[in-house]
Amino acid sequence: EAQVTQNPRYLITVTGKKLTVTCSQNMNHEYMSWYRQDPGLGLRQIYYSMNVEVTDKGDVPEGYKVSRKEKRNFPLILESPSPNQTSLYFCASSKRGTKVFGPGTRLTVL
Amino acid sequence: QQPVQSPQAVILREGEDAVINCSSSKALYSVHWYRQKHGEAPVFLMILLKGGEQKGHDKISASFNEKKQQSSLYLTASQLSYSGTYFCGTEGSDNYGQNFVFGPGTRLSVLP
Repeated sequence: EAQVTQNPRYLITVTGKKLTVTCSQNMNHEYMSWYRQDPGLGLRQIYYSMNVEVTDKGDVPEGYKVSRKEKRNFPLILESPSPNQTSLYFCASSKRGTKVFGPGTRLTVL
Repeated sequence: QQPVQSPQAVILREGEDAVINCSSSKALYSVHWYRQKHGEAPVFLMILLKGGEQKGHDKISASFNEKKQQSSLYLTASQLSYSGTYFCGTEGSDNYGQNFVFGPGTRLSVLP
């Protein structure tokens, strides 16, 4: 089944403790991206990648890092999480057009 | 730059029609529409490329006016399953394939 998987699905952590949210797709898509969703603000792009080793900032990149060492994986790294990064995070992959979203990761930073 | 969606929210009775609008201040290459049900991930509905085409499937269709940088989503004879938040996403013609931007969403509630 064509899909995007994210782990973990839920995470509660404390300020400053580094964490990684993994994202993996099995559709051989070149384009992958990360979004955060907050009430009233819609989906805001954090980072995107057009191919292996090619990444670029989206609209809200501060406090996040990404890497794209393999085509299928696009992890999101929070080196020093802060409470304002509490949000619902979605990973998505696409070929030209249709985005397929992962199930989401709900992150709470205390 | 984030596109603008209107209305912010709409409540319908089953069988009624609705229109959701999306507009951008920049030249667009494409407009995408997604629906997100509560607690779930957004799901792709359709994509419209510049050229003013209209697309649709079942009772949901959309148009794209490239000159006005506007798109509209039409929901005809709404069903309970249409409830959710609808997002348009825009891709600028000046940065092909890059920095796709979603609108803030329109919450649609269909009542029996």
